Amino acid sequence: DVQMTQSPSTLSASVGDRVTITCRASQSVSSWLAWYQQKPGTAPKVLIYKASNLESGVPSRFSGSGFETEFTLTISNLQPGDFATYYCQQYNLFPLTFGGGTRVEIK
Amino acid sequence: QLQLEESGGGVVQPGRALRVSCTGSIFRTYGMHWVRQAPGKGLEWVAVISYDAKQKYYADSVKGRFSISRDNSKNTVYLQMNNLRPDDTAVYYCAKDRGADHYFDFWGRGILVTVSS
Repeated sequence: DVQMTQSPSTLSASVGDRVTITCRASQSVSSWLAWYQQKPGTAPKVLIYKASNLESGVPSRFSGSGFETEFTLTISNLQPGDFATYYCQQYNLFPLTFGGGTRVEIK
Repeated sequence: QLQLEESGGGVVQPGRALRVSCTGSIFRTYGMHWVRQAPGKGLEWVAVISYDAKQKYYADSVKGRFSISRDNSKNTVYLQMNNLRPDDTAVYYCAKDRGADHYFDFWGRGILVTVSS
């Protein structure tokens, strides 16, 4: 199975900050990686697919990059609604696997 | 507008069975997945069924105990969960994929399954 490791597990930031979350795969997943945002009590929402493609309707302050085993999600100009938990997910191979999550909290 | 709604959750004793359902609109041409989230934990993919039900894959943690199926005439996908264990306690989400790309572009609201004596 492909293990997905996210870092950090928690990140403290302020409105207006630029934050970066890293996701590492235990083997190459090419560009088959998605990022999700989840707020408490709600289902996840896809932000980025195929490593760097912005899902329709997602603000452009979210961006993704990376290839094979190392990926990043960057949020520029952090907004109040961005405080949430973020997950990466590889879809190169079954079983599909998620990272452990990164909680972005208010500093 | 696409909607997905899970049903059938609840409290069940260890070793017993439960079937959860997901009903939606316009998912006949898409693969459908179940993803779960234990209380306070991260996301865990559980199973997928292709649009034509010819392909099914499972997480190792549920293989041999859970079975996914679908009835496109009813716009419904099912997850039959047998021999339930306390560590199966979670919110179960159904989610639609993007066809050839198995990421999830639409999710249901989730339903809680609690395995406890």
